[in-house]
Amino acid sequence: AQKITQTQPGMFVQEKEAVTLDCTYDTSDPSYGLFWYKQPSSGEMIFLIYQGSYDQQNATEGRYSLNFQKARKSANLVISASQLGDSAMYFCAMSYDQAGTALIFGKGTTLSVSS
Amino acid sequence: KAGVTQTPRYLIKTRGQQVTLSCSPISGHRSVSWYQQTPGQGLQFLFEYFSETQRNKGNFPGRFSGRQFSNSRSEMNVSTLELGDSALYLCASSVGQPNQPQHFGDGTRLSIL
Repeated sequence: AQKITQTQPGMFVQEKEAVTLDCTYDTSDPSYGLFWYKQPSSGEMIFLIYQGSYDQQNATEGRYSLNFQKARKSANLVISASQLGDSAMYFCAMSYDQAGTALIFGKGTTLSVSS
Repeated sequence: KAGVTQTPRYLIKTRGQQVTLSCSPISGHRSVSWYQQTPGQGLQFLFEYFSETQRNKGNFPGRFSGRQFSNSRSEMNVSTLELGDSALYLCASSVGQPNQPQHFGDGTRLSIL
């Protein structure tokens, strides 16, 4: 069965520092997608970055990059130059159906950025 | 481009009642998915609609149902409400192709008294 594991309930970082949020996944399907979402305290889910299982290069979107290690089944999110506005809950998710539209989420990591 | 719109934002119901939540996807998106978020269970997939057809379904009882209209707008219905149905219900839309990002609405927070 498919599974997403985020082992860090909370992370603390200072402004302008980089931080890595861990995510490991388990699936036997060769085709899958990995997503990271940010959920501020207001509740909306904000899409950050996507990595396909067949992508050869790690995905990057501005200050966000995804460290994809397929053999280890890990998809860690790296946030460079943290900002106060980055304080939020971060979810790792994986698509697990043939249509690629049903997502299974991890429990999330709360990131707190201090000045 | 307008985002995903969910209405209402907040709902308070009592046990045994039913409720209908609405979701308007991003223009051009044909896929709408629904998720339930609770502190205990986290985010769980309910179902997905694509071109008015339910294409995928999570592990929820039949009290949870949905539909999609020809303009891609979607509704979710929960009948015979239970206390455990109190949650944030999130709707997400996408173009409906494999592994494309889903864009979420702000959610409907449902409280059952």
